[in-house]
Amino acid sequence: SQQGEEDPQALSIQEGENATMNCSYKTSINNLQWYRQNSGRGLVHLILIRSNEREKHSGRLRVTLDTSKKSSSLLITASRAADTASYFCATAEYSSYKLIFGSGTRLLVRP
Amino acid sequence: EPEVTQTPSHQVTQMGQEVILRCVPISNHLYFYWYRQILGQKVEFLVSFYNNEISEKSEIFDDQFSVERPDGSNFTLKIRSTKLEDSAMYFCASGRQGINTEAFFGQGTRLTVV
Repeated sequence: SQQGEEDPQALSIQEGENATMNCSYKTSINNLQWYRQNSGRGLVHLILIRSNEREKHSGRLRVTLDTSKKSSSLLITASRAADTASYFCATAEYSSYKLIFGSGTRLLVRP
Repeated sequence: EPEVTQTPSHQVTQMGQEVILRCVPISNHLYFYWYRQILGQKVEFLVSFYNNEISEKSEIFDDQFSVERPDGSNFTLKIRSTKLEDSAMYFCASGRQGINTEAFFGQGTRLTVV
């Protein structure tokens, strides 16, 4: 698989439930970032986790990073209908100026 | 809150025509990027720009593409002779300290080549 593959591709949950999205990558990274995209709109940065960090929180978001498994997860707790969007992980390698995006997870939160 | 702005929001152009997509990055940012997203596909890196020169570019960014920061505030992407496969959403982004910090994205320009 390519750098930044996400799993699942689509996720449908009830409002109030937790949503977990996973991302796998192949190379060594400087950091990993999660972005959100509402349909047809721009990407909104959610959280950045550095390669020497294992877990990070921001509000209802919790991100973990396991560099030995080259994987990350994004947990959204107590989901809301407004969380409905696509979520992308993006990796940044050392000595690089680019982000490599995954294919994304489409999250639908049903009211 | 400062934001990256892009114009136009939608551009329709005929195959073979030149297009210029415009972006105003956040004012104190030093790193600038263009990405594109073909409908239903991944966001793909095109080019990064720092200190008035290209710092990195992808295979997509061939001789038909160029970037410019003409006046210290705007950041433009020019496609010299558009092809049908250039139809995509083009995103501009900027950042303070390169890839070690988050990138702030604009709302995108939807380019349709007919």
